[in-house]
Order: sequence, then C-alpha cells, then structure tokens
Amino acid sequence: DAGITQSPRHKVTETGTPVTLRCHQTENHRYMYWYRQDPGHGLRLIHYSYGVKDTDKGEVSDGYSVSRSKTEDFLLTLESATSSQTSVYFCAISQLADQETQYFGPGTRLLVL
Amino acid sequence: QQQVKQSPQSLIVQKGGISIINCAYENTAFDYFPWYQQFPGKGPALLIAIRPDVSEKKEGRFTISFNKSAKQFSLHIMDSQPGDSATYFCAAHPQGAQKLVFGQGTRLTINP
Repeated sequence: DAGITQSPRHKVTETGTPVTLRCHQTENHRYMYWYRQDPGHGLRLIHYSYGVKDTDKGEVSDGYSVSRSKTEDFLLTLESATSSQTSVYFCAISQLADQETQYFGPGTRLLVL
Repeated sequence: QQQVKQSPQSLIVQKGGISIINCAYENTAFDYFPWYQQFPGKGPALLIAIRPDVSEKKEGRFTISFNKSAKQFSLHIMDSQPGDSATYFCAAHPQGAQKLVFGQGTRLTINP
C-alpha cells in the first residue's frame, strides 16, 4: 500500500462522539486525500491537502474537518459522529510530479451506532 | 458539478469471457482517465489509464477504449479469470486540479 498506514483500521463508536482517523505516509508525497466509500456511491472526496497546513474541501465535506501539521500525517475528524457517517474511509496520496496517480491506504471501517 | 457515471453496478462473467465496464462523463475538461482495481479489504490500486489523445490502450488482458466525441470510455478484460474478481472504479482528472473524480464502482465476479 505504497507506504501508507491508516489507524485505527476498525472503529465502533456512538452517535455524538468525536472521532479522529489518522493517515500516515512514508513517501514524502505532497498531496493527501480522504475519501469515503459507500455502496452505490463509489469513492467520494471528503477533504484533501496540497501541503502542510493547506487543505481544501471535497464534495462531501459537511461534518468533517481535517488537519495536516506535518507532511507525513493527515488527520480526519468527525466532530460529532452520526450514523450517516458509517462508512469505509480511505486515505490516498499523490506526488507533485504525478498528481494524477493516487496511491491508497488500506482503509478504516467505521461504524457509528 | 463534474461527474463520471459508471455502469453496470455489478457484473457476473464466466471464466474465459470478456468483461466490459462502461463510464461516461459530462465535463470536457478532463485530461486523464484511470481505472482502479480494488480487492476485498484492500484499498484501490491503479490498473491502467489513458489520455484523451488516444482511442485505445492495452496492457496484457486489460484494454481501455476511449470515445472522445461520445464522452465515454470503457474497460475490457479479455479471458477473464477468477482472480479478476474485484471492484473496479473509473475516474477522471480535471485539467489543472489536484484531485480525481470517481465513478460509482462495478463489482465484478468471474465464475470458474
């Protein structure tokens, strides 16, 4: 998985609790992305980062925030988890010289009860 | 909104047959069209990609056909094998953007 780790890999939480997912890369790639994967919807972009402290919203950003204080780490936070945020979350990275090719992590399966 | 529409949602093919997955897009300002393959429990991985200046690209048993005027592109898997059973995503790269737009995915099952 191209030097990308995600933690935790599985999480069960309750509605209303905050949740933070972590993506860590060892590739020194500039761009990092958070997607959610749901049946019938494919991969939908939540937020992405184009550098340390530089982030932008994707198509499904409501209810999510991100932070990137170091090149290697990109955090996704659900401030107050809802059942609609039950999903599989994938982190991806790409490099400046080849922005079109993304490398994905192994995913985090999140269940919000 | 930039969109890529993928069909079918699921597909069952006999071993040795041809698997065909189709995608259509609405925005002409896409300059790169990759296909990703995802096995259960894993993240997607780049399989094959094409640029709009060519009509076909072949890598082994996998071929992308691209029809610029129809704004459609498709993945053909020749001599499909059980090991090809996976979810396939088409995607498109908007010119000048640092992101991809993905299709809805196709779950492909190859029966032995």
